[in-house]
Amino acid sequence: RKEVEQDPGPFNVPEGATVAFNCTYSNSASQSFFWYRQDCRKEPKLLMSVYSSGNEDGRFTAQLNRASQYISLLIRDSKLSDSATYLCVAYGGSQGNLIFGKGTKLSVKP
Amino acid sequence: EPEVTQTPSHQVTQMGQEVILRCVPISNHLYFYWYRQILGQKVEFLVSFYNNEISEKSEIFDDQFSVERPDGSNFTLKIRSTKLEDSAMYFCASSEGRLTNEKLFFGSGTQLSVL
Repeated sequence: RKEVEQDPGPFNVPEGATVAFNCTYSNSASQSFFWYRQDCRKEPKLLMSVYSSGNEDGRFTAQLNRASQYISLLIRDSKLSDSATYLCVAYGGSQGNLIFGKGTKLSVKP
Repeated sequence: EPEVTQTPSHQVTQMGQEVILRCVPISNHLYFYWYRQILGQKVEFLVSFYNNEISEKSEIFDDQFSVERPDGSNFTLKIRSTKLEDSAMYFCASSEGRLTNEKLFFGSGTQLSVL
């Protein structure tokens, strides 16, 4: 069974803090990885793709370690608006669909 | 930014009734999907659709479920005889190409409540 596992949190951090989320995936054949953001009872929205070389988009940095089957997301200088659930997602290729983790909840406090 | 639209936003039905959830994917997209999310659970893949036929489906997508593209714009999910456990948020999504290279756009969802 192909799974994506995440720490559900919640992570409660003050504004300006740096926070890191981790995720592991079980299917070594997974080809692509993503971080999605989901606000309460809303649709998931793509935050960023994750590349083996690591990639950065403003305050967000994603890393992929294929050997350990491990993905991370780092958020620097947290804003109140970063409060959401962060979904780690793997694309299995052969299944033609996305496999979602259950999400890590982040709450940024003033 | 173009968006996927879903109707209705909320649907309440009695157990055993048929429901049709409707979606209008982004106009130049070729791949269409249905996902669902039971309250407090993970987003789960149901089915993908390309070139007027199902390309992939999960074990959740049993004989009670069907999808259709009745015209050039709509993409529907039908649940033939709803069960209590079908209560969930159903998300339609579309992409221009296959998921390795293309962004997946989700609609805002239909909350289905089966009583």
